[in-house]
Amino acid sequence: KAGVTQTPRYLIKTRGQQVTLSCSPISGHRSVSWYQQTPGQGLQFLFEYFSETQRNKGNFPGRFSGRQFSNSRSEMNVSTLELGDSALYLCASSWGDGYEQFFGPGTRLTVL
Amino acid sequence: DQQVKQNSPSLSVQEGRISILNCDYTNSMFDYFLWYKKYPAEGPTFLISISSIKDKNEDGRFTVFLNKSAKHLSLHIVPSQPGDSAVYFCAATFLTDSWGKFQFGAGTQVVVTP
Repeated sequence: KAGVTQTPRYLIKTRGQQVTLSCSPISGHRSVSWYQQTPGQGLQFLFEYFSETQRNKGNFPGRFSGRQFSNSRSEMNVSTLELGDSALYLCASSWGDGYEQFFGPGTRLTVL
Repeated sequence: DQQVKQNSPSLSVQEGRISILNCDYTNSMFDYFLWYKKYPAEGPTFLISISSIKDKNEDGRFTVFLNKSAKHLSLHIVPSQPGDSAVYFCAATFLTDSWGKFQFGAGTQVVVTP
């Protein structure tokens, strides 16, 4: 079966712009989580959506937001981009039971 | 606040020998732990997990040990193979509450040499 897909794979933006990243989970999975990966920081949890509702949120500013659609696809939006937002953004899907997450390949965002 | 820590950013091991990766956590309420493996340009892939009610879980060449009193877990890979060269992340979560919210360590880069 198809894995988690993320689009776009690479993105270059400038400071002050906004960006929207997309994640399509594995078919049947209802939970989608988003992470930011930067060198030396590992994966930092952004938020998790389950059945179109945000169920958990990490410690990121309000510039980071997300949503989930009825087909479980999820989008993440970052407004007023800062240089420090340059990172690999990973999404992961699961059935929602918290046991195992399947990750997509990530979107590499570069902010200039 | 980094609740899960991997203090060794890199590890080099000879093919056929044992790789031992370490992970420490600060929150004693974590009740489920996982290890992920990540190759460049790919997302992390699940390797092995352990519940806090156990102290050991084995899957083929991979064994995870959990020492709750020390808030420490380790991953043993025996024997190490060149294909094991990757970044390994440990992660922790609360199964009873924070669904989908995993705390990850910073990762350990493993290099297996011939």
